[in-house]
Parts: sequence; C-alpha cells; structure tokens
Amino acid sequence: AAGVIQSPRHLIKEKRETATLKCYPIPRHDTVYWYQQGPGQDPQFLISFYEKMQSDKGSIPDRFSAQQFSDYHSELNMSSLELGDSALYFCASSLDRLAREQYFGPGTRLTVT
Amino acid sequence: AQKITQTQPGMFVQEKEAVTLDCTYDTSDQSYGLFWYKQPSSGEMIFLIYQGSYDEQNATEGRYSLNFQKARKSANLVISASQLGDSAMYFCAMSDGSSNTGKLIFGQGTTLQVKP
Repeated sequence: AAGVIQSPRHLIKEKRETATLKCYPIPRHDTVYWYQQGPGQDPQFLISFYEKMQSDKGSIPDRFSAQQFSDYHSELNMSSLELGDSALYFCASSLDRLAREQYFGPGTRLTVT
Repeated sequence: AQKITQTQPGMFVQEKEAVTLDCTYDTSDQSYGLFWYKQPSSGEMIFLIYQGSYDEQNATEGRYSLNFQKARKSANLVISASQLGDSAMYFCAMSDGSSNTGKLIFGQGTTLQVKP
C-alpha cells in the first residue's frame, strides 16, 4: 500500500540558512499535518491543511511557513534556521479531518550546525 | 486544555508475554479519538490502533488491543504475545475534538524493551 512520502530524509543546514521539506500524502488523502519532534521528546503539532486550505496552526515559529498545493502535496519552508530547529519533522495524512487513521511519513531529520 | 499522560517512562516484558502500556487523558470534549503509535529506533511513526470516544467496543488490531475506560479517561494499549521486534517507543495520542481539525496531541511516550 502507498505510504506518505517525505523528502529529503536527511538535511544538514547551517544557522541562518533556509530549508524546504516536502510531503506527498497517501493518494486520496486530502488532509496533511506537520509535526516536529525534538530529541527525546514527543511530536508537537505545527500546522495542518484540509483541501489545500490551512485548517489549524500550532506552535509554529513565524520563520516557518507551509502550504498545500493543487496536487495535495505540501511543503514546509523554514528560514533563518536556528540550532534549536534541529529535529525530526513528520508529515502525516488522513482521509479527512475526522479520520480514524492518521498515517505518518518516515520523517525528515534536520540538523542545523 | 487537552492532555495525554503516559506515566511509565520504561517497561520490560519477557518475550511471548502480554504487556499493558498505560495512557490517561484529559478533555472536556465529548467527541475525540485516541491513537497509539510505535516508534522504533529508526525513527518512523507507525500507526497501531484507534479508538473513537463513541465506540462501544474496545478496538483490536491483531496482537494490539485498546482497553478503553471512558469514565476513568484511560486508553491503555495491550500487546499480546510480545515479540523482540516490539521493542520501541510507544506514544498515546488524542485528536482534538473541539477544533475538528484532526491534529494530534501526544503523551510523553513509553519505551518498551522485550527480553528474550
């Protein structure tokens, strides 16, 4: 079965650089979520999209922005990177906002040096 | 505000035995969902099981079952016949029923180690 695809899987950036993370949801899933998981922590919700519109926003820094495109893939743009942005970034998708299953991608491990 | 609590930072279980991972939650919503995920050392988050707040039966998926006690606000995960491959971090999560956006709030996680 098709899964959520994230690219790249690993990314190393320097402070103050920018990064773009991509997410391709499971086919026919119209809802996408982004989560950030710091070392030894639980995942924290960043932002979500439903039918290409932002549906909810969590503790996402102003330096971060995201969007969902017409083909339902989503991108998380991160600017002025800080050391504290080093984390595992997950994208998840579901059939709709009230779905009984929310599937996560493999994650993008971002390291800021 | 909603909150998920997993009080067991680490658990050990002997191979082939059953184990229960605890999860309690706090919410004032009537409609919500409860999820369990497995995170192996490789880092991916694997969906295991879901329980809706209005579901009358406890959810089961293969060796996984969710012991849902609504009045006690608990949603414990039971893994039967543990296998070495079950060694991982396990997260309990809840969907935010009031916002209806499906975002998940996670507990702190429980590390499970299966001993041969």
